[in-house]
Amino acid sequence: DIQMTQSPSSLSASVGDRVTITCRASQSISSYINWYQQKPGKAPDLLIYAASTLQSGVPSRFSGSGSGTDFTLSISSLQPEDFATYYCQQSYNTPFTFGPGTRVDIK
Amino acid sequence: QVQLVESGGGVVQPGRSLRLSCAASGFTFSSFGMYWARQSPDKGLEWVAVIRYDGSNEYYVDSVKGRFTISRDNSKNTLYLQMNGLRAEDTAVYYCARERVSGAYSWFDPWGQGTLVTVSS
Repeated sequence: DIQMTQSPSSLSASVGDRVTITCRASQSISSYINWYQQKPGKAPDLLIYAASTLQSGVPSRFSGSGSGTDFTLSISSLQPEDFATYYCQQSYNTPFTFGPGTRVDIK
Repeated sequence: QVQLVESGGGVVQPGRSLRLSCAASGFTFSSFGMYWARQSPDKGLEWVAVIRYDGSNEYYVDSVKGRFTISRDNSKNTLYLQMNGLRAEDTAVYYCARERVSGAYSWFDPWGQGTLVTVSS
């Protein structure tokens, strides 16, 4: 199985900050990575698919990049509604494994 | 709008069975692959199973193979997960999700609200 790791596991940031979350795959997965946002008590919501394609309706302050084994999710200017946990997920092959998550808290 | 609603969760003793359902609406259910995933504090998010749009193929994570069965009834717009031989480590919130595909890329969107399964004596 492909292992996904994320760093940091948590971070504290202020409204307006730029935030970058890193995801690493245990083997090359080309661009087969998706990013989800989850708020407490809710299901995950899709943010980005295929490494860099923004899901319809997701604000343009979110962006994704990377290929191979190293990927990033960036938030250009953190907004109050962005405080949540973010997960990466590979869709290169089954089982479609998730990263452990990065929690973004208010500083 | 697209909606997925899970049901069937609850408290069950180890070794017993439970069947989860996921009612779909707002889209042509029979045209989409469907997933089950689960989330627990111990293991985080875990992909459990997928079934193709016509039920022709199913895939499972190793930890549930031989115990869980994913199925669908396209006439009822409903996805199922039959869980047999439940173990304490199966305790989790179970989500259904629709498969979206573009070329070789796939992703989960949307997800249902989840149903909690607790395996405990």
